[in-house]
Amino acid sequence: AQSVSQHNHHVILSEAASLELGCNYSYGGTVNLFWYVQYPGQHLQLLLKYFSGDPLVKGIKGFEAEFIKSKFSFNLRKPSVQWSDTAEYFCAVTSNTNAGKSTFGDGTTLTVKP
Amino acid sequence: GAGVSQSPSNKVTEKGKDVELRCDPISGHTALYWYRQSLGQGLEFLIYFQGNSAPDKSGLPSDRFSAERTGGSVSTLTIQRTQQEDSAVYLCASSQRLAGAPDTQYFGPGTRLTVL
Repeated sequence: AQSVSQHNHHVILSEAASLELGCNYSYGGTVNLFWYVQYPGQHLQLLLKYFSGDPLVKGIKGFEAEFIKSKFSFNLRKPSVQWSDTAEYFCAVTSNTNAGKSTFGDGTTLTVKP
Repeated sequence: GAGVSQSPSNKVTEKGKDVELRCDPISGHTALYWYRQSLGQGLEFLIYFQGNSAPDKSGLPSDRFSAERTGGSVSTLTIQRTQQEDSAVYLCASSQRLAGAPDTQYFGPGTRLTVL
């Protein structure tokens, strides 16, 4: 069975600080990787995804993530956070062989102080 | 175009009552998923539909939970004899789910269920 681990449950940063949120997964086959964001009072939105190709993927709002296969990791990064990035961030994994259902991490709450 | 919609947005019910939650997927999406998000936790997979059939029901927590999908579109998640531990946000997602291809799921706003 696949699983996803997000190591940071709550991260607090000041504006302009750099961000890195960890995500590790366990699954032996080919995976598709996602980061979703949930702003306060809003629904889940796709931030970025990795299917294949360049392991460094860029998403919306200046976010990027790097797939490191050897480390089973897909960490999310942003060079300079803004107050508006305050949200909950979820890492998720699917594979093409398990009906595409997503396995999610428990989420990381990011609070950016103005 | 329209995204995934869910109704009601909020539902408060008494323990022991039955509830129905509805999901309208994006038009043309063949796959539909139900997830549950409990307070402070990630999303928990409940059930997956491809068309009107449900090849994977492995996530349904008990036989009080059931779901159906009609016309390859709208889906209803039914919880019978609700318990307080059923309180959560129930999320629906849909995708194109082309055979053998990676897939992106698009989520609805969820239904917040509170069982008193």
